[in-house]
Amino acid sequence: EDQVTQSPEALRLQEGESSSLNCSYTVSGLRGLFWYRQDPGKGPEFLFTLYSAGEEKEKERLKATLTKKESFLHITAPKPEDSATYLCAVPPRGGYQKVTFGTGTKLQVIP
Amino acid sequence: DSGVTQTPKHLITATGQRVTLRCSPRSGDLSVYWYQQSLDQGLQFLIQYYNGEERAKGNILERFSAQQFPDLHSELNLSSLELGDSALYFCASSRDSDYEQYFGPGTRLTVT
Repeated sequence: EDQVTQSPEALRLQEGESSSLNCSYTVSGLRGLFWYRQDPGKGPEFLFTLYSAGEEKEKERLKATLTKKESFLHITAPKPEDSATYLCAVPPRGGYQKVTFGTGTKLQVIP
Repeated sequence: DSGVTQTPKHLITATGQRVTLRCSPRSGDLSVYWYQQSLDQGLQFLIQYYNGEERAKGNILERFSAQQFPDLHSELNLSSLELGDSALYFCASSRDSDYEQYFGPGTRLTVT
């Protein structure tokens, strides 16, 4: 069974203090990895898909990277509006199994 | 706006009752997923449909059922409601299982 583990569970940063969130996975044949952002009371918002080790994608202050065992979401000079829970997920090996989500990292950026 | 719509936004009902939640996927998406999220908890996958057929099943209770119609919209039926069923219910859609999901705004269900 696919497993996805995110760390830390919670992270508190000062505005402008860069950091990274980790998503480690145990899957049989990676078919991609997704990152989402979720604000309280709202549906997760899709951020990135990474398909192969070495791939990187950027959006504003966020950069996602992928290795063979884990993915990182780097947050550069965060702002309070970056406060949210960040989720990673891996698609199923076969068409009849579920997407596996991590439990998320709750990020708080303090002004 | 993800393009996924859910109705109603809020639902308040009593224990033992039955409710139906509705979801319209993004244009072109064939897969629809249902998730439950209780307060400060993670997403719990309930069920996935692909082009009208059940594709994957999570920890969905027997009191819950879902279907996807020919126009690809989906409904989640919750019956014999209990206090513990109070949660946010999200619908998501994607082209297929390999692709990213786009989530709707959710339906907040309160069972009193």
